[in-house]
Amino acid sequence: DVKVTQSSRYLVKRTGEKVFLECVQDMDHENMFWYRQDPGLGLRLIYFSYDVKMKEKGDIPEGYSVSREKKERFSLILESASTNQTSMYLCASSFFFIQGASSATNEKLFFGSGTQLSVL
Amino acid sequence: SQQGEEDPQALSIQEGENATMNCSYKTSINNLQWYRQNSGRGLVHLILIRSNEREKHSGRLRVTLDTSKKSSSLLITASRAADTASYFCATDASGSGAGSYQLTFGKGTKLSVIP
Repeated sequence: DVKVTQSSRYLVKRTGEKVFLECVQDMDHENMFWYRQDPGLGLRLIYFSYDVKMKEKGDIPEGYSVSREKKERFSLILESASTNQTSMYLCASSFFFIQGASSATNEKLFFGSGTQLSVL
Repeated sequence: SQQGEEDPQALSIQEGENATMNCSYKTSINNLQWYRQNSGRGLVHLILIRSNEREKHSGRLRVTLDTSKKSSSLLITASRAADTASYFCATDASGSGAGSYQLTFGKGTKLSVIP
């Protein structure tokens, strides 16, 4: 059974703390993603990675960084947590589907159960 | 930037009725995907339709894609109370380069199926 595991289901942190959110997938997927989900705003992409040590900014990277040292693990780091980073964080992974000589698309994403982060 | 926009934002139907949700998007896509999310949980993939396909079925789900109108619809037939969830469309934009490897989600349709 395929699995994307997020390290914590609920997390409470203080303003200014450094926060690590861990995500592990067991499907040998190339792509991994971090989204945040807020009521009324849907899912917004923070960062994604299409290979080990590779990362690309999504729509809202400010205040976040990521690390992908191994293919199966993608970490999201809040360098100095702020109250506006209180949110549900969702990790996902996928294979590429090679479309042509220079393009690829995402196959279906597998999501973790999410981490509800509260920053006080 | 959010590409897909679902419509309606919320839908309430009786058990046994059909539910139709729509998704519109702005730029050319490689594929469009539909996901389901139960309250407070991660998303689960339902169906993927490629840009050269017009219709796809999976069990009680039927998805259509009209690339000329840049829209898609998800039909759930004979709905059950267990179908109560939020439904999201996600688009994989065309183009090469690392920036095109994103899957962009809409804000979702909240479906309530009343027993």
